[in-house]
Amino acid sequence: KAGVTQTPRYLIKTRGQQVTLSCSPISGHRSVSWYQQTPGQGLQFLFEYFSETQRNKGNFPGRFSGRQFSNSRSEMNVSTLELGDSALYLCASSPEGFGGTSYEQYFGPGTRLTVT
Amino acid sequence: KQEVTQIPAALSVPEGENLVLNCSFTDSAIYNLQWFRQDPGKGLTSLLLIQSSQREQTSGRLNASLDKSSGRSTLYIAASQPGDSATYLCAVRVGMRFGAGTRLTVKP
Repeated sequence: KAGVTQTPRYLIKTRGQQVTLSCSPISGHRSVSWYQQTPGQGLQFLFEYFSETQRNKGNFPGRFSGRQFSNSRSEMNVSTLELGDSALYLCASSPEGFGGTSYEQYFGPGTRLTVT
Repeated sequence: KQEVTQIPAALSVPEGENLVLNCSFTDSAIYNLQWFRQDPGKGLTSLLLIQSSQREQTSGRLNASLDKSSGRSTLYIAASQPGDSATYLCAVRVGMRFGAGTRLTVKP
């Protein structure tokens, strides 16, 4: 079974631009979560989508948004990029949502975003 | 608010040693706890998942324990190898809070 895939793997953007990252979960997984990882803040939860609905959201500004399609693929969008948005963005999928008792996450390789 | 702490932040051991990584959390009302490893610049690889009703899980040379009442989990690695060198992170759910990780180096 193929793992979680993320595209693109590397991205360089200029401050003020917007960016869209894509995540394809493991086949059959309905939950997709997004995380931001930086050296200073570590891994921080952005949001979780389950069956096309955002179920949980972390403490990030509204510039960070996402969506999930009927095939469970998910996209994350960051508008008006800031230098501090430079990070590794990780996507994880799970067969269950946050409320599932055996919720276990499988991570993709990440997208390295650099904002200049 | 759930806080997750991992001690030590970094650890260097010679090959063959048994070692213990620690994870503590402030709110014992968790659904489960998951241990991951992360290689530099890469995503996370799931190692072990412990449900809140379980006390431990084992996979090969790895054993993870969970004590909800004291807010602690330990990851035991037996007979460490250079290939075990990575950053190890624990995550607790509700809300998926991650620790900052322990950077492990196993020297040949």
